[in-house]
Amino acid sequence: GQQLNQSPQSMFIQEGEDVSMNCTSSSIFNTWLWYKQDPGEGPVLLIALYKAGELTSNGRLTAQFGITRKDSFLNISASIPSDVGIYFCAGPPVDPDSGAGSYQLTFGKGTKLSVIP
Amino acid sequence: DTGVSQNPRHKITKRGQNVTFRCDPISEHNRLYWYRQTLGQGPEFLTYFQNEAQLEKSRLLSDRFSAERPKGSFSTLEIQRTEQGDSAMYLCASSGGQGFYEQYFGPGTRLTVT
Repeated sequence: GQQLNQSPQSMFIQEGEDVSMNCTSSSIFNTWLWYKQDPGEGPVLLIALYKAGELTSNGRLTAQFGITRKDSFLNISASIPSDVGIYFCAGPPVDPDSGAGSYQLTFGKGTKLSVIP
Repeated sequence: DTGVSQNPRHKITKRGQNVTFRCDPISEHNRLYWYRQTLGQGPEFLTYFQNEAQLEKSRLLSDRFSAERPKGSFSTLEIQRTEQGDSAMYLCASSGGQGFYEQYFGPGTRLTVT
């Protein structure tokens, strides 16, 4: 099946720094979703992207839908301690024959973010 | 607007016992999903309902697993004859309206099989 590769796997940053992470796939996606998960909780939807090249912001978060449709990027500006968590990219697989999307989401393994005060 | 709720939040059971989890989706959402998440991994799709119809099932959903959504509202996920490998976080999500790929997750049920 389709797999999403996230990098980096983990990162330690100083409070106030900007953060960049990405997600790549060997096949195209028509939708990219970014989630944040705190320990012991379910993932929380941060941003949804629907169009190649699209750049969308949600507060200090900005995500981009790569023009090849095989990657997406998430940036966090001026990080704060509550940004700590695991960030997942996800998307519905596209049937290569029909081009139709499935409702089931494929997730990456996540990028674990630690913020040093 | 209440979010997705799941009960119980934690369940410890002995191998061989049956367990049942409940999910209440966001009220106006007609699609409901179950995922399983193990340590260090992202959620993995198990099954999906549109209203009361179960439309997709993953091969991860062995014959010991069954899910229902009898009236198109809440859903239950039952695991029969639990095995230690079933220990995981079971997540429910719902979606609806124009943002049909945007799935909103509940807090999950943490299952530990001893």
